[in-house]
Amino acid sequence: DSGVTQTPKHLITATGQRVTLRCSPRSGDLSVYWYQQSLDQGLQFLIQYYNGEERAKGNILERFSAQQFPDLHSELNLSSLELGDSALYFCASSDPRISGEKLFFGSGTQLSVL
Amino acid sequence: SQQGEEDPQALSIQEGENATMNCSYKTSINNLQWYRQNSGRGLVHLILIRSNEREKHSGRLRVTLDTSKKSSSLLITASRAADTASYFCAIFSGAGSYQLTFGKGTKLSVIP
Repeated sequence: DSGVTQTPKHLITATGQRVTLRCSPRSGDLSVYWYQQSLDQGLQFLIQYYNGEERAKGNILERFSAQQFPDLHSELNLSSLELGDSALYFCASSDPRISGEKLFFGSGTQLSVL
Repeated sequence: SQQGEEDPQALSIQEGENATMNCSYKTSINNLQWYRQNSGRGLVHLILIRSNEREKHSGRLRVTLDTSKKSSSLLITASRAADTASYFCAIFSGAGSYQLTFGKGTKLSVIP
């Protein structure tokens, strides 16, 4: 168990809808990362937050947004969903002060857009 | 792109044999990491090697890094069926970039 909790584990929705994925990092970890994994694109970095502030942005679509709250949990919001958004979404956390750049991953949210 | 590229894409070996996976990248790095993913589950960190290190060991794992060739290899010795998984290299370039970018992975199958 990595200590990173993601909910829900599975999500089935329709095109055009909006969903929210939630992540609770390991206790004390200040950094939260979001990744999207699909068969054709591999593991794509979306965005990183550090102690509530956005630190790095990757291949995140404008329809997607994220935030990290004062209690350090994070949410990834996906809107106007398309079939191609179906993927496994991972959250990871780290504390560079302790574990360096090593990431601890949650078990993911499997999103199916029908 | 800073993404690492693993080679081969898939590897099938017998239990007890050694497995070697390679990763090549294009830019300078701060460190390179290897992760393992069992089917459909979260990634698990295996080992991290910094740009000023050439070799690192952890149990049955041996990682090498050649910054002049921009490549790394992961060796798993005396493989077991439980080693069956996908293995990813990840690049951390540092220098103001906080992204950890992953390759597409090598799928390892260890046959009992």
